[in-house]
Amino acid sequence: NAGVTQTPKFQVLKTGQSMTLQCAQDMNHEYMSWYRQDPGMGLRLIHYSVGAGITDQGEVPNGYNVSRSTTEDFPLRLLSAAPSQTSVYFCASSYSGGRTDTQYFGPGTRLTVL
Amino acid sequence: GQQVMQIPQYQHVQEGEDFTTYCNSSTTLSNIQWYKQRPGGHPVFLIQLVKSGEVKKQKRLTFQFGEAKKNSSLHITATQTTDVGTYFCAERSNTGKLIFGQGTTLQVKP
Repeated sequence: NAGVTQTPKFQVLKTGQSMTLQCAQDMNHEYMSWYRQDPGMGLRLIHYSVGAGITDQGEVPNGYNVSRSTTEDFPLRLLSAAPSQTSVYFCASSYSGGRTDTQYFGPGTRLTVL
Repeated sequence: GQQVMQIPQYQHVQEGEDFTTYCNSSTTLSNIQWYKQRPGGHPVFLIQLVKSGEVKKQKRLTFQFGEAKKNSSLHITATQTTDVGTYFCAERSNTGKLIFGQGTTLQVKP
């Protein structure tokens, strides 16, 4: 099992450019989520999905879109990048959305928007 | 909204000293999960506490859940350089959302 994989590892964008951060898991997990991590602010939830075809907003969804067409993949789209979106992005998955489920995190994507 | 406050933000200790980080909430927590993130790495699950007053140990790490389920702590006995990193507490909601504290970054001087 590869677990949770993310691509790319690093990305530099110019303001206004668009891009998609890829996330995939091979553990047949129903629940997937995206977080951003900024210094001193911990991890903040952007969007999450409880299964294929179902997505919902987290704490900081503005500027980001997601879709979940398969169980395995949960891409995060930045339609028009802004410097405020410079951050480290983590994808995570768990078996279900149950309270006792462990979340498994991917290695992260470090994004810089100039 | 739901908030989990974690203190201190940073802690520098000499190798061999003890370390404690605290997680506090104004509302009753249904559960607490603890994660460790090494520098440049990703969060890795350490443990989960569910019951009031629960205490769990992992080698030199001791995790506690308060009697009122409004606070939790992680205590490391005799720190080692391998303990360096950021420790996060988080509550998992009934919708699956994981709400993180701000984290405590531990530096250990050899």
